[in-house]
Amino acid sequence: DADVTQTPRNRITKTGKRIMLECSQTKGHDRMYWYRQDPGLGLRLIYYSFDVKDINKGEISDGYSVSRQAQAKFSLSLESAIPNQTALYFCATSDSTQGIWYNEQFFGPGTRLTVL
Amino acid sequence: AQSVTQLDSQVPVFEEAPVELRCNYSSSVSVYLFWYVQYPNQGLQLLLKYLSGSTLVKGINGFEAEFNKSQTSFHLRKPSVHISDTAEYFCAVRNSGNTPLVFGKGTRLSVIA
Repeated sequence: DADVTQTPRNRITKTGKRIMLECSQTKGHDRMYWYRQDPGLGLRLIYYSFDVKDINKGEISDGYSVSRQAQAKFSLSLESAIPNQTALYFCATSDSTQGIWYNEQFFGPGTRLTVL
Repeated sequence: AQSVTQLDSQVPVFEEAPVELRCNYSSSVSVYLFWYVQYPNQGLQLLLKYLSGSTLVKGINGFEAEFNKSQTSFHLRKPSVHISDTAEYFCAVRNSGNTPLVFGKGTRLSVIA
């Protein structure tokens, strides 16, 4: 079973719709992240959370919001989707209790979102 | 803020030839460095990492990388590539402390038969 799961895996929606992407993990990690991937731009950080009560903006947070419902769940919302939010979205986790090894991030399989 | 530059967006190479994918990062007192691989239609998988100690690190699938502090580089190498190495490769860096990984824009490696 996958340690980091994302739902849905694929989603097509229309401009102006509200969309939620969900991420769940069974790794017991305290830290979670949302990235988006665009061709030629690599991965860019949207939001990250170091624990349930901690939420931080990343490089490109405008147009997005997040919710950390529990240590294992971190959701990304697009309040009013627009076409330039069409991208591949990745959730990732890391474990801060492992000393310097906490620097490694583990990625989910990704959600491909298309906004028409 | 930390930044990562992958100098080549695309690298074509013939099967069984050697390859080097270049990565430079902005200078910092201490850094942790990673290479991730993304096979077609898949997520990211850790290839190797440098946290401390020996500057030459070995990863999965015969890849290795060398941390060069004076040149702020972490180039990825493989002496003989296979068709199955065709993928996109991402270099990532993190400073010590509470900061997420910062990724380069990726290098698409295409292995030609």
